[in-house]
Amino acid sequence: SYVLTQPPSVSVAPGETAEITCGGDDMGTKSVHWYQQKPGQAPVLVIYKDSDRPSGIPERFSGSNSGNTATLTISGVDIGDEADYYCQVWDSSSDHLFVFGTGTKVTAL
Amino acid sequence: EVQLVGSGGGLVQPGRSLRLSCAASGFTFSRYWMSWVRQAPGKGLEWVANIKEDGSDYYYVDSVKGRFTISRDNAQNSLYLHMNSLRAEDTAVYYCARTVTTIIGDYMDVWGRGTTVTVSS
Repeated sequence: SYVLTQPPSVSVAPGETAEITCGGDDMGTKSVHWYQQKPGQAPVLVIYKDSDRPSGIPERFSGSNSGNTATLTISGVDIGDEADYYCQVWDSSSDHLFVFGTGTKVTAL
Repeated sequence: EVQLVGSGGGLVQPGRSLRLSCAASGFTFSRYWMSWVRQAPGKGLEWVANIKEDGSDYYYVDSVKGRFTISRDNAQNSLYLHMNSLRAEDTAVYYCARTVTTIIGDYMDVWGRGTTVTVSS
C-alpha cells in the first residue's frame, strides 16, 4: 500500500518558520491535504489540494508539492501552532483509500 | 455552524458489538460522502470506512471488512458505524468526518468530536 513518510518532530523558535515534509512515490502527481491536531482534540484541515487554505486558517500556513515531497510551511510560528500535523492523499489502488502520513509533532521552543 | 458530534463509544469485551453514531448539523448532510477515521492510543490517524451521499456505495479498510458496517440516515442527519467481533486492536478514538470528493483526490474538511472505544476483558 502507499506510504507517506514524515519526520517525527520539528522544533522551531517562536517567530521562525517551520517546514514539515511528507514523502511518497510520485507525490507531485497526487493532491495532498494537511491536518493539524492538538492534544485531546479532533483534527482540523489546514491545507487542501496541495496549497489551498480553508476559510479561517491563517495565511501563515502554506503548502507546496513537487517530485516526491510535499511541504507544509508555517511562517512566524507561535505557541498556538504546537500540534501534530498529518499529511494525507487519496489512493484508489491502496487498501487505505485515504492514506495518512506518520505525523509530525511541531514544538515552539 | 457546521458540526459533527460522535457518540456511542465505551468499554466492550473482545468479540462483542458496539454501534457508534454521529449527528450532523449546519449543512446539507445528504450532499456529502461521510467517513469514519480512528486513532489508536498514541498513534496516528487511520481511515476506517466511508459511505456515499445516498448510502448506495461504501468502502472499508481491509482490517475491518466483514466486521464493521457503515450506514447513514439522511432523514435524521446521522452517520453510524456498526462494529461486530471487536478486537483489542480496534481500541481507538473514532472520528466521523465530512468528506469532500474531487477528481484528483478526496479529503475530510470537517471532523467531529471523537468517541472512545476500548476493547478489553
